[in-house]
Amino acid sequence: DTEVTQTPKHLVMGMTNKKSLKCEQHMGHRAMYWYKQKAKKPPELMFVYSYEKLSINESVPSRFSPECPNSSLLNLHLHALQPEDSALYLCASSHPPPSWGFTFGSGTRLTVV
Amino acid sequence: GESVGLHLPTLSVQEGDNSIINCAYSNSASDYFIWYKQESGKGPQFIIDIRSNMDKRQGQRVTVLLNKTVKHLSLQIAATQPGDSAVYFCAENHILTGGGNKLTFGTGTQLKVEL
Repeated sequence: DTEVTQTPKHLVMGMTNKKSLKCEQHMGHRAMYWYKQKAKKPPELMFVYSYEKLSINESVPSRFSPECPNSSLLNLHLHALQPEDSALYLCASSHPPPSWGFTFGSGTRLTVV
Repeated sequence: GESVGLHLPTLSVQEGDNSIINCAYSNSASDYFIWYKQESGKGPQFIIDIRSNMDKRQGQRVTVLLNKTVKHLSLQIAATQPGDSAVYFCAENHILTGGGNKLTFGTGTQLKVEL
């Protein structure tokens, strides 16, 4: 298995809703990432998990809450989002250095109404 | 600061021609670079990578060149095909002290292949 699987592919949520994005990989990667991508822009890093521990939070608002239950799963819990949070949310995984294999999922297209 | 940027936002080429997409970077300490292809509605797809101890690396129809002197990276696509139409990002990799890697992306180049 050489894929990063993200669910759901599309999500529409209201500003008072709570929802979760899920990411799964079975490549034995021990680093996992959340990126946010707005239309016609490059992906921007949000969070990095290394060996199931949060190692980087790029000053992301607390309405985004990541969780890494085990080495294969990564969740992003969403609460009280704003319309400007609408974007493509990408999950990625890699081997920690010195090996790489950085692989992206297809993303969740999130629309906040 | 650090930045990874692209010179051209849009590149149009004729089918069968070679394409060259350029990228400038500013962090001379970066030791690893990746090119990604992103089609509409999909996640970035790995194309090819290169480490800073190399000047050139070839894949199937693609070649990446690294010029550390001028901090320049390029992606060459031979015999461009309609399926190559996409946005191409260069990315600069940093090793994080806490583990894992951080990819910093350039602004992207839209490649359009004309029949």
